[in-house]
Amino acid sequence: DAGVIQSPRHEVTEMGQEVTLRCKPISGHDYLFWYRQTMMRGLELLIYFNNNVPIDDSGMPEDRFSAKMPNASFSTLKIQPSEPRDSAVYFCASSLSGGRSPLHFGNGTRLTVT
Amino acid sequence: GESVGLHLPTLSVQEGDNSIINCAYSNSASDYFIWYKQESGKGPQFIIDIRSNMDKRQGQRVTVLLNKTVKHLSLQIAATQPGDSAVYFCAENKGAAGNKLTFGGGTRVLVKP
Repeated sequence: DAGVIQSPRHEVTEMGQEVTLRCKPISGHDYLFWYRQTMMRGLELLIYFNNNVPIDDSGMPEDRFSAKMPNASFSTLKIQPSEPRDSAVYFCASSLSGGRSPLHFGNGTRLTVT
Repeated sequence: GESVGLHLPTLSVQEGDNSIINCAYSNSASDYFIWYKQESGKGPQFIIDIRSNMDKRQGQRVTVLLNKTVKHLSLQIAATQPGDSAVYFCAENKGAAGNKLTFGGGTRVLVKP
């Protein structure tokens, strides 16, 4: 099993530019999560989907952030326009439903906004 | 990449000794708990989980203990090895629908040879 795949691994961009992060969940998993990790705030949940439908986006910091899941094998997190304070490591995770089950994380995208 | 902040609690342990990592949680409604390990440049990796109807669960070299009375969770690692050096996070599902997890701040474990 390939696990959760995220791309790119690193992204460096200038303030004001659009950034798109990509995620392929584990096949068969019907929950998908986007987390952000920073030195100051640790791991924060941004948004999660169930069966491609956004369930809880209360963690999305601002309207500059948007996430989509057009099908069961792909999701994007977009930041437009990006700001230096968006610099962080962004993780995607997926899990099975049917009760409590662990999240399986990708290796993240390290975003640097200059 | 960096995983957590500069002021992470750190546990230094001699190779071969047992490690105990502690975590306090605040929500009585939490019904599912997980321990993750995060190495530099990687995502959190699942170690072991426990449901609130259990007090103890064992895996390979790891044991998780849950004390609901004082809202305390611990991870015990037997015969700690250099490869166990990492940041460890506890996470809880606060009784919410779905698998939404809230993470603790993490503990760095350093294994001394």
